[in-house]
Amino acid sequence: AQSVTQLGSHVSVSEGALVLLRCNYSSSVPPYLFWYVQYPNQGLQLLLKYTSAATLVKGINGFEAEFKKSETSFHLTKPSAHMSDAAEYFCAVSDGQGAQKLVFGQGTRLTINP
Amino acid sequence: EPEVTQTPSHQVTQMGQEVILRCVPISNHLYFYWYRQILGQKVEFLVSFYNNEISEKSEIFDDQFSVERPDGSNFTLKIRSTKLEDSAMYFCASSAVIYSNQPQHFGDGTRLSIL
Repeated sequence: AQSVTQLGSHVSVSEGALVLLRCNYSSSVPPYLFWYVQYPNQGLQLLLKYTSAATLVKGINGFEAEFKKSETSFHLTKPSAHMSDAAEYFCAVSDGQGAQKLVFGQGTRLTINP
Repeated sequence: EPEVTQTPSHQVTQMGQEVILRCVPISNHLYFYWYRQILGQKVEFLVSFYNNEISEKSEIFDDQFSVERPDGSNFTLKIRSTKLEDSAMYFCASSAVIYSNQPQHFGDGTRLSIL
């Protein structure tokens, strides 16, 4: 069975600082990995996805993530935080079988301090 | 940009009552999903649906739950006899093709409150 662990339910950074949100996965088959963002009172919006092509994936709003098979990690980063980045971030994995069920991590709430 | 729409945004229901949550997936999508998120917990997969039948369902999706695509645009989740523990945010999602590298697009969710 697949699983995702997001380290840190709450991360707080200053505006302009580096954002690092951690995600580790467990999968018996090559995984497909996703990061979604949820702004208050909104649904889940896709930030980026890893689909076994380049290991460094660039997404929307300046975010990127690097797939590291040896570490079973898919951490999300952004060089310089902006106030508008404050949201909940979810890492998810799919195994490519059947109708691509997503397994989500617990989520990380990102707070940006002025 | 096309989006998944869900109605209502908030539903309050007495325990034991039936509730229907509605979703309009993106028009050219073929695969449909329901997920739920109990307050403070993970987003959990409930069911996937393709070609007018369930493709996969989780342990959560018991006999009290059902899904239907009654026409060419709507996708519904019915809970037959609601329990207090059904209180959660319910998300509908859709995707264009079966391959897992194609992302699912989510709606804004329906907050279901069982009294």
